[in-house]
Amino acid sequence: EDQVTQSPEALRLQEGESSSLNCSYTVSGLRGLFWYRQDPGKGPEFLFTLYSAGEEKEKERLKATLTKKESFLHITAPKPEDSATYLCAVQALSGGSNYKLTFGKGTLLTVNP
Amino acid sequence: ETGVTQTPRHLVMGMTNKKSLKCEQHLGHNAMYWYKQSAKKPLELMFVYSLEERVENNSVPSRFSPECPNSSHLFLHLHTLQPEDSALYLCASSDRINQPQHFGDGTRLSIL
Repeated sequence: EDQVTQSPEALRLQEGESSSLNCSYTVSGLRGLFWYRQDPGKGPEFLFTLYSAGEEKEKERLKATLTKKESFLHITAPKPEDSATYLCAVQALSGGSNYKLTFGKGTLLTVNP
Repeated sequence: ETGVTQTPRHLVMGMTNKKSLKCEQHLGHNAMYWYKQSAKKPLELMFVYSLEERVENNSVPSRFSPECPNSSHLFLHLHTLQPEDSALYLCASSDRINQPQHFGDGTRLSIL
C-alpha cells in the first residue's frame, strides 16, 4: 500500500528564515510526486510535479527536490504570504489505479513578519 | 480565480435530507474527481470519472451517488448522511486521468 508521511506537522518561521519541509514516501514504482499548497477555506493549488530522482523544480521562493525515498520543499527567505498548508502526494506507476493520488496529512507553515 | 467551480460553498443538512453538490470545470479537462477532506486526515479519493465513465468507486457508502453528465460537470448526490460525513468535499479535474489534478475550493458540509 502506498504511503506518504510529511514532517513536521507544523512549522513556524520568521520572515526571511529559510527551511525545508519533508515528504517521505513508499510506493510500488513512482510515476510522479506532486506538491500542493492549500490556504484556509480553499482547495489545494498545484505547485510541482517531480518524476525521477534528482529532479528539481523551482517557483519563486520554493524549490522541490526528489530522491528515491523522499522529497523536500525548500523555502528560501519566506514571506508571510507563504503561510499555508503544503501537501505532498504520490502517484504509482503500475497497477490498474495509476491515476490515484495518495496524499500526506500536510505541513502547516506559518511565517511571522 | 480557479478553473474548477464548486457550489454551494457551504451546506448544512439534516440526516434525512437529500441534497446535491455541483462541480464545473472550465479547463477543457477529460477527467474529474471527488475527494473528501476531514480534519487531521489526508485527502481521500471517492470517485473518478474519465470521459464521463466512472473508473473508481473507492468503497464509498451508497448514500453518496456521483453523476457525470458531460466532461465539464460533476455532481455528488447526498441522502441519509451521517454526522461523520461532515467534511470538506473537493472536486478536481485533470487533462487526462494520470495528469496533475486541479482542485476547486470545495463545499463545506455539516450534518446536523
